[in-house]
Amino acid sequence: SQELEQSPQSLIVQEGKNLTINCTSSKTLYGLYWYKQKYGEGLIFLMMLQKGGEEKSHEKITAKLDEKKQQSSLHITASQPSHAGIYLCGADEGRGTYKYIFGTGTRLKVLA
Amino acid sequence: SAVISQKPSRDICQRGTSLTIQCQVDSQVTMMFWYRQQPGQSLTLIATANQGSEATYESGFVIDKFPISRPNLTFSTLTVSNMSPEDSSIYLCSVAAGEDNEQFFGPGTRLTVL
Repeated sequence: SQELEQSPQSLIVQEGKNLTINCTSSKTLYGLYWYKQKYGEGLIFLMMLQKGGEEKSHEKITAKLDEKKQQSSLHITASQPSHAGIYLCGADEGRGTYKYIFGTGTRLKVLA
Repeated sequence: SAVISQKPSRDICQRGTSLTIQCQVDSQVTMMFWYRQQPGQSLTLIATANQGSEATYESGFVIDKFPISRPNLTFSTLTVSNMSPEDSSIYLCSVAAGEDNEQFFGPGTRLTVL
């Protein structure tokens, strides 16, 4: 079965610094989704990537999917305390099921 | 996108009892999903609940323990039956509602079993 590995597991950065979170799949990804979760709350949809080499940006967050569609990165520029939370990558298992598996999560803390 | 609400937002229950969690969506959707997030863990899919058919459970989850109802296109319930402390988790519902059927999540129900 497909697995998603995220790195790092946790990250503490100073406000204003840039950071990158990685998500690696054991199989080719049909769709890769990035979510943010505030501690103990629901998930907020950030971005979806489907095509090899695709890159999307929203405000200060940029996500990329590599050409082989097995690795994605999430980059935050000039981090702010509001960026703190848990970042999860999710993948569509494909075959029309729309079932997701999720990565292990990256806990981000931004120091003011 | 879709706006999803869940009730209750949190509960503390005694072992051996059951809790029913409600999920309400602001638009009609075909596919709804129930996930569990155990403390410090990522999300695990419990079941897929499509209107008009029986819920499809993932490996390790059974209907007797997690019965699901899907009476219409905007509502679903998940019951956690005969609870034990190991059932303490956040339970989230989601719907496939985006242009590419990306999933949107409810705020979750935080369950603690004593």
